[in-house]
Amino acid sequence: GQQVMQIPQYQHVQEGEDFTTYCNSSTTLSNIQWYKQRPGGHPVFLIQLVKSGEVKKQKRLTFQFGEAKKNSSLHITATQTTDVGTYFCAGGGRDDKIIFGKGTRLHILP
Amino acid sequence: NAGVTQTPKFRILKIGQSMTLQCAQDMNHNYMYWYRQDPGMGLKLIYYSVGAGITDKGEVPNGYNVSRSTTEDFPLRLELAAPSQTSVYFCASRRRQAIATNEKLFFGSGTQLSVL
Repeated sequence: GQQVMQIPQYQHVQEGEDFTTYCNSSTTLSNIQWYKQRPGGHPVFLIQLVKSGEVKKQKRLTFQFGEAKKNSSLHITATQTTDVGTYFCAGGGRDDKIIFGKGTRLHILP
Repeated sequence: NAGVTQTPKFRILKIGQSMTLQCAQDMNHNYMYWYRQDPGMGLKLIYYSVGAGITDKGEVPNGYNVSRSTTEDFPLRLELAAPSQTSVYFCASRRRQAIATNEKLFFGSGTQLSVL
């Protein structure tokens, strides 16, 4: 079945440094979504990518979808303490399942 | 709008007990999902439904059952609770698009379940 791998599992950065998490799917995806979960909270939708090679930006966050629609990345520029949390990618296929990666937990060191 | 509502928020079960986790959404979403999240881990899909009367297995369906008699409700049933089912359970819903793209998931606040 479809599998979504995400690395790294944890990332510690100094405040102001950049951060990147990578996502790979075992199958070609219809789309990929990114979510953020704050400690003790529930996942909250950030963005969806649909097109091959698509790049989207939200302020300091840049999202990319690979040409083969099997990989994606999230890059945060100049991290802030408000960026703390776990970032998940979620792959959507043609069978209506939405499969999540294990997430990358971001810690910010002041 | 309340969005996605899950009850209860916390529950402790003894091994072998049964319970139903409730999930309701008021957004008229066709698609509903149940995920479990073990400590420090990602979300695993248990079951999902694309409409009333239709359910399908996800990645980890064993030990669980679901039903979808209405568009609004999607309860998750644990028949014989086991310690391995200790987890946080999230229900989520989304719209159905006319084209083959997924809409974003709206999540409930979760049910924290401990089986002792």
